[in-house]
Amino acid sequence: EPEVTQTPSHQVTQMGQEVILRCVPISNHLYFYWYRQILGQKVEFLVSFYNNEISEKSEIFDDQFSVERPDGSNFTLKIRSTKLEDSAMYFCASLLQGRVETQYFGPGTRLLVL
Amino acid sequence: SQKIEQNSEALNIQEGKTATLTCNYTNYSPAYLQWYRQDPGRGPVFLLLIRENEKEKRKERLKVTFDTTLKQSLFHITASQPADSATYLCALEQGSGTYKYIFGTGTRLKVLA
Repeated sequence: EPEVTQTPSHQVTQMGQEVILRCVPISNHLYFYWYRQILGQKVEFLVSFYNNEISEKSEIFDDQFSVERPDGSNFTLKIRSTKLEDSAMYFCASLLQGRVETQYFGPGTRLLVL
Repeated sequence: SQKIEQNSEALNIQEGKTATLTCNYTNYSPAYLQWYRQDPGRGPVFLLLIRENEKEKRKERLKVTFDTTLKQSLFHITASQPADSATYLCALEQGSGTYKYIFGTGTRLKVLA
């Protein structure tokens, strides 16, 4: 069974610091996503990435956020200057184009900003 | 504005009974709707997709209905088991072909032994 992996599983950082969350999507998938889930709240779309560029982004995904696919396997989310309200679970997901039922989520990175 | 609403209160049912969860949406015209399961501290896991031209979809003990007139989907788990206890999420594509998915708040189901 193919799976999406994410590292680290937990990250604690000080407010104002930069963090990079890493994901390895499923190898033949073409769409990549980052979602956020604040404790006790719903899963929120942040950004989708296709063909080496951002396809869609939400209002949450402001200038403090960026995404990259630096090589053929990794997909990263960078938060430049973290705020307390960035504390959340961050999920990466990937999807095979045209197969909308194949969106697979990773196990998540729990980010705590102090 | 666009909304996806699920019953935010937890649903407790006895083992063996059928659980029915509701997803209502406004200001969307989705071509399909998805249901996911989420366990605490884990990522959502895709369960079922139903398209706008399908009234009902089944997978083992799961059944999903989709009423585009009522703008509602119902998710049923028959012969429920304690292992079915989890939060169930519905999700829609925000715009056709965008591959941008918006999730409901989820309904927490607890199946009592």
